[in-house]
Amino acid sequence: DVKVTQSSRYLVKRTGEKVFLECVQDMDHENMFWYRQDPGLGLRLIYFSYDVKMKEKGDIPEGYSVSREKKERFSLILESASTNQTSMYLCASSFLFRLAGGRSTDTQYFGPGTRLTVL
Amino acid sequence: SQQGEEDPQALSIQEGENATMNCSYKTSINNLQWYRQNSGRGLVHLILIRSNEREKHSGRLRVTLDTSKKSSSLLITASRAADTASYFCGRSGGSNYKLTFGKGTLLTVNP
Repeated sequence: DVKVTQSSRYLVKRTGEKVFLECVQDMDHENMFWYRQDPGLGLRLIYFSYDVKMKEKGDIPEGYSVSREKKERFSLILESASTNQTSMYLCASSFLFRLAGGRSTDTQYFGPGTRLTVL
Repeated sequence: SQQGEEDPQALSIQEGENATMNCSYKTSINNLQWYRQNSGRGLVHLILIRSNEREKHSGRLRVTLDTSKKSSSLLITASRAADTASYFCGRSGGSNYKLTFGKGTLLTVNP
């Protein structure tokens, strides 16, 4: 079974703190993703990575950065946490498929989520 | 943008009934994936259907895809209280790697 783990289930931080959220997958997946989920807004993609040291912005990258130094690990960094970053953060990973018309993601496997509260 | 939505936003049925949820999208896709999320947890993958497929089954789940209408549906037959969850469809297409999700359908199955 694919396993995606996240470093914390619940996290409470103060405004202005630097926050690290860690995600590890054990399936040798090329792709890794960070989403945030808010009531009424669904899942929104923050950043994704398709290879070690490679990253691309998602739909809402402002206020976040990421790091992928090893294939199995993808970190989300909040440089200076703010209250509007209080949310559920979900990490996912998948294999990468290269198609004639571009690239595609296969099944994404999600971690259990980290509920971050910024006070 | 491949923004689309799941429909309805909420669905309440009795145990044993069938539940149908729909997903619409606006641009072409490579594949479409359905996920379930229990309250406060991560998403669990249910079924992936590729753009050249029209129907897939997995246990009590049936997914259809109509690319001419840019829509998909998820049917859960003989529902159980344990099926109570939010259901999301993720669309993958274009030249990128990502899935685009809607806001989901909250399914409540009453015992």
